[in-house]
Amino acid sequence: DSGVTQTPKHLITATGQRVTLRCSPRSGDLSVYWYQQSLDQGLQFLIQYYNGEERAKGNILERFSAQQFPDLHSELNLSSLELGDSALYFCASSADTGGDGYTFGSGTRLTVV
Amino acid sequence: TQLLEQSPQFLSIQEGENLTVYCNSSSVFSSLQWYRQEPGEGPVLLVTVVTGGEVKKLKRLTFQFGDARKDSSLHITAAQPGDTGLYLCAGIYGGSQGNLIFGKGTKLSVKP
Repeated sequence: DSGVTQTPKHLITATGQRVTLRCSPRSGDLSVYWYQQSLDQGLQFLIQYYNGEERAKGNILERFSAQQFPDLHSELNLSSLELGDSALYFCASSADTGGDGYTFGSGTRLTVV
Repeated sequence: TQLLEQSPQFLSIQEGENLTVYCNSSSVFSSLQWYRQEPGEGPVLLVTVVTGGEVKKLKRLTFQFGDARKDSSLHITAAQPGDTGLYLCAGIYGGSQGNLIFGKGTKLSVKP
């Protein structure tokens, strides 16, 4: 157990739908990062939150949004889902800047049918 | 184009063999990290290197950061089936907004 909790572990949904992925960071970590992993693209950085504030954005589509709550858990919202959104979505956390490494959760496998 | 290029993409060896995987970039990294990922799990941090020329050892694994901080290598001595997995290098550089950028990984299979 890494200390980073992601739910649900698996999600199957239809095109056009909206889903919410949830992440609880490791105790004491203030930064939360979301990554998408697909076979052809590898791990792609989506977005980072630090202590409730958005800190950096990567290759996140406009159909996707995220937030970090006062208790530091984070949610990634994916809407108007397309087949190509099928992937593993990982949450990671770090104490601050992440220069000492990230702790990853086990991921949510999203399948859009 | 991928900022961090890893090679080889796939590697299949017998137990007891040595191997080296590489991570190369044209950018300078302030921090370079290696992770290992098993199927159905998230990546797990193996090591962080920050100083050019730095060498770190973790049991049978040796990590080296290039002098110019643009490349890194991971050497495994006497590989074991338990070393099987996806090895990912990741780095923080000036343009990454402080976030980790990952290579696509080297998929290692060690056969008994």
